[in-house]
Amino acid sequence: DGGITQSPKYLFRKEGQNVTLSCEQNLNHDAMYWYRQDPGQGLRLIYYSQIVNDFQKGDIAEGYSVSREKKESFPLTVTSAQKNPTAFYLCASRPGQGAGNTEAFFGQGTRLTVV
Amino acid sequence: RKEVEQDPGPFNVPEGATVAFNCTYSNSASQSFFWYRQDCRKEPKLLMSVYSSGNEDGRFTAQLNRASQYISLLIRDSKLSDSATYLCVVNFNFNKFYFGSGTKLNVKP
Repeated sequence: DGGITQSPKYLFRKEGQNVTLSCEQNLNHDAMYWYRQDPGQGLRLIYYSQIVNDFQKGDIAEGYSVSREKKESFPLTVTSAQKNPTAFYLCASRPGQGAGNTEAFFGQGTRLTVV
Repeated sequence: RKEVEQDPGPFNVPEGATVAFNCTYSNSASQSFFWYRQDCRKEPKLLMSVYSSGNEDGRFTAQLNRASQYISLLIRDSKLSDSATYLCVVNFNFNKFYFGSGTKLNVKP
């Protein structure tokens, strides 16, 4: 089935550790996104990528890093520089810009907790 | 000022009721608009896009008012299964989707 897959579903991190969240899509979408959601809040954009080997900072990029070496993969690393990483992380994708104003499709999310 | 603002609710309504949510956005150059539904601890899922002329999908009707910069969602004949958080989403350019913080709906028997 086509879709967007995030793993793991739950992740626990010790303070000071870097962790990487996986996001894979087989929808042949060009654009991919990472969002963070805190309780009772909307989604905030961390990073996005329009095309392979290119990515841009979103509104809250500090303490995060990404790569886009393959079209289908857009991993997010939460570094020790992120002071409050406990949150629900959502990855999304959408077709390329030429496809018009299409919606974004979301993975099931990774719930990260710092212990 | 937030890019997209929604009343957080909760809206508590009985089954069968009609309920409406509004969402305001700040950027007049916004290009596309969506309503997503998010269940507790799940990912958002597209409910419907919002077109300039307004659009309907079964019990759901979406409207766009560009002059006043708001979009609305009307749910008729509410079902228990409609209980969720409804997110208003506005696209300013291709890559920037701005999400409202959501409006919580509780449909009660």
